[in-house]
Amino acid sequence: DSGVTQTPKHLITATGQRVTLRCSPRSGDLSVYWYQQSLDQGLQFLIQYYNGEERAKGNILERFSAQQFPDLHSELNLSSLELGDSALYFCASSSGDRSAEQYFGPGTRLTVT
Amino acid sequence: QQPVQSPQAVILREGEDAVINCSSSKALYSVHWYRQKHGEAPVFLMILLKGGEQKGHEKISASFNEKKQQSSLYLTASQLSYSGTYFCGTVTGGYQKVTFGTGTKLQVIP
Repeated sequence: DSGVTQTPKHLITATGQRVTLRCSPRSGDLSVYWYQQSLDQGLQFLIQYYNGEERAKGNILERFSAQQFPDLHSELNLSSLELGDSALYFCASSSGDRSAEQYFGPGTRLTVT
Repeated sequence: QQPVQSPQAVILREGEDAVINCSSSKALYSVHWYRQKHGEAPVFLMILLKGGEQKGHEKISASFNEKKQQSSLYLTASQLSYSGTYFCGTVTGGYQKVTFGTGTKLQVIP
């Protein structure tokens, strides 16, 4: 158990809908990262937050947005969902220091039908 | 830019050794190694920093050649539990954005 929690574990929704994925970082970690992993693919970095502020952005679609709240939990919002958005979405947390390792949550499996 | 990993896949018998390589076209601040079992979250193995510092599990060893922008993960006396996909991740910038490679699938058989 990494100490990072993600909810929900599974999500099935229809095209065009909007969903919110939630992540709580490990106690003491200030930084949260979101990754997308499609079937048998690598980890695509989406976005990083540090203590409530966006710190780095990857290949995140305009239909996707995220935020980190004062209690440090983070939410990833996915809208106008398409079939291709079906994937595992991982959240990871770290202290935010450049030399710190990241700890991954169990992931949310999103299926768009 | 995504680091390149080699080999893409490898099959080992228990007790055999393996080396997984990771190469970047950019100057690196650090290299991260993770292992992911099917359907599970990636698990941290090791981080190698510019300047020589390393942090990670005792049973895992790795090297980082800063000049060549390459890292290698050494798996010795492999066990069945080593099976999974190994990802290297590289940090090049000022923040801790990690760009992961495409992964190396490792299967250890009895």
